[in-house]
Formats: sequence, structure tokens, C-alpha cells
Amino acid sequence: EAGVAQSPRYKIIEKRQSVAFWCNPISGHATLYWYQQILGQGPKLLIQFQNNGVVDDSQLPKDRFSAERLKGVDSTLKIQPAKLEDSAVYLCASSFGGGARGTGELFFGEGSRLTVL
Amino acid sequence: ILNVEQSPQSLHVQEGDSTNFTCSFPSSNFYALHWYRWETAKSPEALFVMTLNGDEKKKGRISATLNTKEGYSYLYIKGSQPEDSATYLCAFSNYQLIWGAGTKLIIKP
Repeated sequence: EAGVAQSPRYKIIEKRQSVAFWCNPISGHATLYWYQQILGQGPKLLIQFQNNGVVDDSQLPKDRFSAERLKGVDSTLKIQPAKLEDSAVYLCASSFGGGARGTGELFFGEGSRLTVL
Repeated sequence: ILNVEQSPQSLHVQEGDSTNFTCSFPSSNFYALHWYRWETAKSPEALFVMTLNGDEKKKGRISATLNTKEGYSYLYIKGSQPEDSATYLCAFSNYQLIWGAGTKLIIKP
């Protein structure tokens, strides 16, 4: 079974530039998550999709971050314009069920490491 | 603000020794407690998802216990091996997952 695919693995940009990350979840997984993990901190949920609908985007900085999951399969996370504090690993994860009550196991991609100079 | 604390932040253990670390979480509105292992340059992978107070789970040399009444979970590694070197993350669910910052384990040969 193919795992969660993410690209690019690494990206270096200057502040005020834009960047996009792509994620393809495990086939059949309805729920897709984007997390931001800053060094020394736990992953922070940016957005959770159930199929192509948004379940939770309360921590997404909507003035600069956007995400979409067209057709309920793969997803793109965009940052425009980037700030220095956006330097982090962006993790995509998927789960089979609706993620109800957080009891379902998450399957992660390898992450996209962003450095903003 | 709900908080998940993991201790210690980092740990150096001699190969062959056993070790354990802690995840502390709020004891109210508990749904699940997850443990994940994250090796450098790889994707985090699930070790355990526990939902019942008193749960004990085991996978090879790794085991975990859960006390939802007092809000803690222990992860044990018996006979540490170099391949156990990783960051171990726990996450508490009171509907949505809230993550700890992890315990970084380094096994010294």
C-alpha cells in the first residue's frame, strides 16, 4: 500500500515570496490533515479536511495561508507571502475514518521542510 | 488552554538499557491517547492508539500504559537498540488531537 506522498521535501525561499506544498493521501482515506511543526514544538494543526470539506481551520493564518482539497483526494497548502516565522516542517497526514473524536490512527508523509530567509 | 507535556525533552541511553518516558495530558473529556515514533528524515509512524483507562499495549520491545483518571501515559522501551533512536510524540484527543513536543531518544552504542 502506497503511503502519504508529499512534495517538495525541502524548500528555501526569501521572506515575502510564495510557496506551495502538495500532498497525496493514502487511497480511500477520507480525512486529510496539514500540520506545522516548528523546531522544539509539537505539531500544530493548520487545517483538517473531511473529503473535500473543511472540518477545522481555526489555527490557519488565513491572511497568508490557504489550502484546498479539490475532488476530495490530493491537497495543496500555499503560503503567500512567507514570513521568517513560517520556517517549519509541514506535515500532511491522512486517516481512514472521519477522524471522529481523534481515535483513528494517522498516517503521515515525510514532511516538507521550509526555510524562510 | 489544553496542554500536553512530555518529559524528558531528550534522553541519552546506553544500548541494551531499558528506558521510559512520560506524556501528561488533561484528565477531562478524554477520547484517546496516541504515541508516534518519528525517525530523522522519515515520516512519523503510529505506535499505539489507546482509548481505555488502564490500557496496556505492546509492540515488540515497546509498550505503553494509560491512566486517564490522573492524566498520564508511559512509554517503555526494553533493551534499547540503535534503531530506537527517534523522537517519540504523544497526542491527546478531547475530540481533536493536541500534540506534545516530543521526547528525543538517542541510543549510545
